[in-house]
Amino acid sequence: GEDVEQSLFLSVREGDSSVINCTYTDSSSTYLYWYKQEPGAGLQLLTYIFSNMDMKQDQRLTVLLNKKDKHLSLRIADTQTGDSAIYFCAESILTGGGNKLTFGTGTQLKVEL
Amino acid sequence: GAVVSQHPSRVICKSGTSVKIECRSLDFQATTMFWYRQFPKQSLMLMATSNEGSKATYEQGVEKDKFLINHASLTLSTLTVTSAHPEDSSFYICSARELAGDTDTQYFGPGTRLTVL
Repeated sequence: GEDVEQSLFLSVREGDSSVINCTYTDSSSTYLYWYKQEPGAGLQLLTYIFSNMDMKQDQRLTVLLNKKDKHLSLRIADTQTGDSAIYFCAESILTGGGNKLTFGTGTQLKVEL
Repeated sequence: GAVVSQHPSRVICKSGTSVKIECRSLDFQATTMFWYRQFPKQSLMLMATSNEGSKATYEQGVEKDKFLINHASLTLSTLTVTSAHPEDSSFYICSARELAGDTDTQYFGPGTRLTVL
């Protein structure tokens, strides 16, 4: 199956860390991605992790992958008001037609002062 | 990162008319582009995969005669919504696939808001 699930909403205070979680079901994923979507806009690629890695850090962003549990998380350190957006995880699966992305349900992050 | 543009960003049309949306990769060549549809407060649903020089591959339940896709060059794909109806109103987002070394990444356009009256 290709179900990707996320919690719908997360609220944090400015300066705190945010952790957004994602679970997926297809163990054949090659890459896993995190995208950010601001209101009325497209998706901005934040970071990605190859399926044979368990951690990737990029400035304020840390991605953790637990392949055994099929669990992916995105940690945003020192969360700012500009981080308020919807965050989508996505898994890339190789099919006969090439790599396709299956998106999670999206998590709306609200950063409060 | 790579840049993908969409045009128009917003379109309002009458029921029964056709609307064309363009997707361009500005600084890289994309043999594959994807078209997604997003309903309010929902995730992205893949509609079709657009391959340069060949026919598009449609996902189950997506009418190929309704949503015409043409991938005319390595930097341009178009989606035409034919005989649009109010239920076609949605946010349409394209992405372009960049293959570089070991990475395989989709970069997304800013989206097109279609409203059919």
